[in-house]
Amino acid sequence: EAGVTQFPSHSVIEKGQTVTLRCDPISGHDNLYWYRRVMGKEIKFLLHFVKESKQDESGMPNNRFLAERTGGTYSTLKVQPAELEDSGVYFCASSQRRGHEQYFGPGTRLTVT
Amino acid sequence: AQKVTQAQTEISVVEKEDVTLDCVYETRDTTYYLFWYKQPPSGELVFLIRRNSFDEQNEISGRYSWNFQKSTSSFNFTITASQVVDSAVYFCALSDADSSYKLIFGSGTRLLVRP
Repeated sequence: EAGVTQFPSHSVIEKGQTVTLRCDPISGHDNLYWYRRVMGKEIKFLLHFVKESKQDESGMPNNRFLAERTGGTYSTLKVQPAELEDSGVYFCASSQRRGHEQYFGPGTRLTVT
Repeated sequence: AQKVTQAQTEISVVEKEDVTLDCVYETRDTTYYLFWYKQPPSGELVFLIRRNSFDEQNEISGRYSWNFQKSTSSFNFTITASQVVDSAVYFCALSDADSSYKLIFGSGTRLLVRP
């Protein structure tokens, strides 16, 4: 069974540019989560999808971040325009049910210069 | 509010020593779940264990064991006879209904096992 995959593994962009991160969850997992860890800080929740619906986006830092999950399969997280403080590692995770173990992807390291 | 505290920022041990990583949590919910994840140098987060709030039995998996004590709101992780491959950052996490079951992570403990 394939695990959670994320693309790209690393992205370097300039301030003001746009970046789109992609996450493919484990097949059959309705729950998809985005988290991020900015330098030296804790891993923080961004948002949660159940199938294609946003269940909780309380962790989204501002309206420069837009997440979608088309057809309840893969998800994208767009940052537009990127700011320096957006640099960090963005993790995606999926689970079969809420409260159950979440399986994480390898993360996307975003560097905004 | 929910919170997870891992007071040990970094621990260094010599191979074959036993080591315990501490985790203390806060929640008002009666139903919650606790997790441990390992982040090796390669960067991915590897799931180790999930425990629900109604099951206080300790768990052992090979050299790994977990001690869950509701009375002290702790969920500690012990590695017996540590090995160099155990070197990683270990995260404790909590999820509950109040937080919509998202994971609330501690700040992590970096474990270095020296040969």
